[in-house]
Amino acid sequence: NAGVTQTPKFRVLKTGQSMTLLCAQDMNHEYMFWYRQDPGMGLRLIHYSVAEGTTAKGEVPDGYNVSRLKKQNFLLGLESAAPSQTSVYFCASSERQNRGGTGTQYFGPGTRLTVL
Amino acid sequence: AQKVTQAQTEISVVEKEDVTLDCVYETRDTTYYLFWYKQPPSGELVFLIRRNSFDEQNEISGRYSWNFQKSTSSFNFTITASQVVDSAVYFCALRTTDSWGKFQFGAGTQVVVTP
Repeated sequence: NAGVTQTPKFRVLKTGQSMTLLCAQDMNHEYMFWYRQDPGMGLRLIHYSVAEGTTAKGEVPDGYNVSRLKKQNFLLGLESAAPSQTSVYFCASSERQNRGGTGTQYFGPGTRLTVL
Repeated sequence: AQKVTQAQTEISVVEKEDVTLDCVYETRDTTYYLFWYKQPPSGELVFLIRRNSFDEQNEISGRYSWNFQKSTSSFNFTITASQVVDSAVYFCALRTTDSWGKFQFGAGTQVVVTP
């Protein structure tokens, strides 16, 4: 039981390049989330998904796209990276709260992205 | 709207001292859940505790204890006899029942424990 995993762990991009971050969870959780963490800013929600095939915008969605084609995977895409997207990205998953789940979010180890 | 305030940016203590982290929340919902997470220097986010709005029973788990008071909208966390391994950023978070599982995180409190 690996919990939540993220690929890659580190990445350096040049401005304008694109990339996809992969999040995978093996806990059969309904909900999945992408956050970014910047110094002094805490955790900010980028996008989230409450079910396979469904995604929604969070607090800071601009410049990112997501997809949830499989229940266990949640992909975060940067189509044209900008230096402002330099950050640490965390994925999290949780049970669906109205089915008796605790709603506790479990986090992946993070991806450190630098955009030059 | 939901809001979580962690007014303490950084707390520095010497090993074996007690540390209390403050968390004040705002919500209009009557059913909600509060969480504490730990982020050590290695960077991962570790779940510590969850409390729901119907359970004001305070808890002690080893050197950790939590004080939940609905009357003051506070969910404080205390580390007793701190150790160097407690050095981390601690986040308080709030989830309401209508939030589709989304959390509102506080800004975090950096705890530095020196030998």
